[in-house]
Amino acid sequence: QQQVKQSPQSLIVQKGGISIINCAYENTAFDYFPWYQQFPGKGPALLIAIRPDVSEKKEGRFTISFNKSAKQFSLHIMDSQPGDSATYFCAARFDNDMRFGAGTRLTVKP
Amino acid sequence: DTEVTQTPKHLVMGMTNKKSLKCEQHMGHRAMYWYKQKAKKPPELMFVYSYEKLSINESVPSRFSPECPNSSLLNLHLHALQPEDSALYLCASSQEIGSGPLHFGNGTRLTVT
Repeated sequence: QQQVKQSPQSLIVQKGGISIINCAYENTAFDYFPWYQQFPGKGPALLIAIRPDVSEKKEGRFTISFNKSAKQFSLHIMDSQPGDSATYFCAARFDNDMRFGAGTRLTVKP
Repeated sequence: DTEVTQTPKHLVMGMTNKKSLKCEQHMGHRAMYWYKQKAKKPPELMFVYSYEKLSINESVPSRFSPECPNSSLLNLHLHALQPEDSALYLCASSQEIGSGPLHFGNGTRLTVT
């Protein structure tokens, strides 16, 4: 039962462009929304996270936008770089239950 | 480098073998997790330990047997696996169960022949 829907499945962006990945959730009890970045052969690494009482959080080139009423949140990567090429997973957690989106494979072309 | 260390990095085993995956963290976290990740898919939760006690078992087949010898170590014992069990097995930890971010290791790439 997928409770977090992520799109797009893959994304190609030119260097310097903005990468945008979207997620939608169903369970209004979710109270923690992290984004993970995973490179081939590595485990997922926490990139940035937000709680539902905040509408936006920015860390460097990475920004999460959160729309509680629409039950949607998104990751924006500004000034995308080839080194950002990886798979990105959104997730949502309530209590012990962490649900991952299906993942977005981002390719940043030089 | 990740603060969660997993060994071995790669493992090839036959269907009749017995092997173990190991995970270690020294962040003082009291919750530890095993996830399974198939290619191009998100991680799927298998087991959760909280304060060294099994808290969650996501209906995982008995050929996978977890063990938590102490608060820093987590093992996954494997026996009579099937080829479809081939995957990346990820260990993760968090401060408490359901609290704070998950810190993942780099996984063990398991191939069952």
